[in-house]
Amino acid sequence: DTGVSQNPRHKITKRGQNVTFRCDPISEHNRLYWYRQTLGQGPEFLTYFQNEAQLEKSRLLSDRFSAERPKGSFSTLEIQRTEQGDSAMYLCASSPGGGANVLTFGAGSRLTVL
Amino acid sequence: AQSVAQPEDQVNVAEGNPLTVKCTYSVSGNPYLFWYVQYPNRGLQFLLKYITGDNLVKGSYGFEAEFNKSQTSFHLKKPSALVSDSALYFCAVRDMGNTDKLIFGTGTRLQVFP
Repeated sequence: DTGVSQNPRHKITKRGQNVTFRCDPISEHNRLYWYRQTLGQGPEFLTYFQNEAQLEKSRLLSDRFSAERPKGSFSTLEIQRTEQGDSAMYLCASSPGGGANVLTFGAGSRLTVL
Repeated sequence: AQSVAQPEDQVNVAEGNPLTVKCTYSVSGNPYLFWYVQYPNRGLQFLLKYITGDNLVKGSYGFEAEFNKSQTSFHLKKPSALVSDSALYFCAVRDMGNTDKLIFGTGTRLQVFP
């Protein structure tokens, strides 16, 4: 078990470009979460998957954001037409189903939009 | 709606002295409370959680937290601080519903001086 893996760790892009982040959760975890963290703030919830089903999306997740989890394994978070306000750390976490579980976080993907 | 508040942006303490990082909560029903730590350019690491039972919860790296229902608090403590404890600490509460989704506070930066 190598924990939650996120790639790339850092992405620098120009405004208007599309970016995609990948998250590989702990293999036996069927729940997967995306959070966004800006400097000086706590992580803010973006979206949640149980297996391949996206069950909850925050209002923070504008139409430019889309997340998928095909086959209930890895997940991708795509941001289209990036804006400078999208600059943040994007954190992925996973947890097993049932009970009051602990979220295990990845190291994050830092996005810088120039 | 579930929420947590961390009233201190920063806590400074001398190495060897006891430390306290404060957290208060506002929930409907019984709270599930968590503490996470974040080191620079890293994801969040789980420290401890309170679900039910003993009000004093022991966690990783010598940290503990005291659940106080009457004061709606869940303060993080350590009897003797280390310089290596310097990091960003987040209190979180589990959201309502059948997921492990967490709602985080704004974080408290702990600085331990030699």
